[in-house]
Amino acid sequence: QLQLQESGPGLVKPSETLSLTCTVSGGSISSSSYYWGWIRQPPGKGLEWIGSIYYIGGTYYNPSLKSRVTVSVDTSKNQFSLKLSSVTAADTAVYYCARLSETSGWYYFDYWGQGTLVTVSS
Amino acid sequence: SYELTQAPSVSVSPGQTATITCSGDKLGNKYAWWYQQKPGQSPVLVIYEDSKRPSGIPERISGSNSGNTATLTISGTQAMDEADYYCQAWDSSTAVFGGGTKLTVL
Repeated sequence: QLQLQESGPGLVKPSETLSLTCTVSGGSISSSSYYWGWIRQPPGKGLEWIGSIYYIGGTYYNPSLKSRVTVSVDTSKNQFSLKLSSVTAADTAVYYCARLSETSGWYYFDYWGQGTLVTVSS
Repeated sequence: SYELTQAPSVSVSPGQTATITCSGDKLGNKYAWWYQQKPGQSPVLVIYEDSKRPSGIPERISGSNSGNTATLTISGTQAMDEADYYCQAWDSSTAVFGGGTKLTVL
């Protein structure tokens, strides 16, 4: 059974960089069939896609966050990571990592991590 | 940027039919995906490609998409269906989510 687990600091200071890692177990991140992505959800609000990456490094980012986001992959550790720079209180959210599977040329989020709350505060 | 609009809340009596809509410009020309999220849990895909159900999703959950509106229909609504529902579409390689609809089963 595939599992994804987010890890990283739960508290980040304003203007600093938020860094999270997603560890994939029960499957290989190097499979050609999948993308891997990050989604966030501010407390009491809806879902926002942040970005996605292919195992050889191709990336797609939400245009509204693109200038501050970097998603990378480490196939040797079966992990992928998120960096979000210059954070403000508006970046406080539960951050989910997820696998994207392909169907008919489109992708959907089929496995999700449990999510990790990151609070931006001094 | 592309936007998807959902009503914030929908209420339904047990056993009745719940209808949740998602509106976006020419949404019918794209595929709509629907995710269910229960409190404290991660989202779960319930409809893909407008109307297909993943394995394990009951037949009483169905979807359609035409014009500017995608619709999620839950027939014979049960207490276990109480959750937030999010529509999602792709626009120029960008995943866009609707704001979510809270389904309350009264």
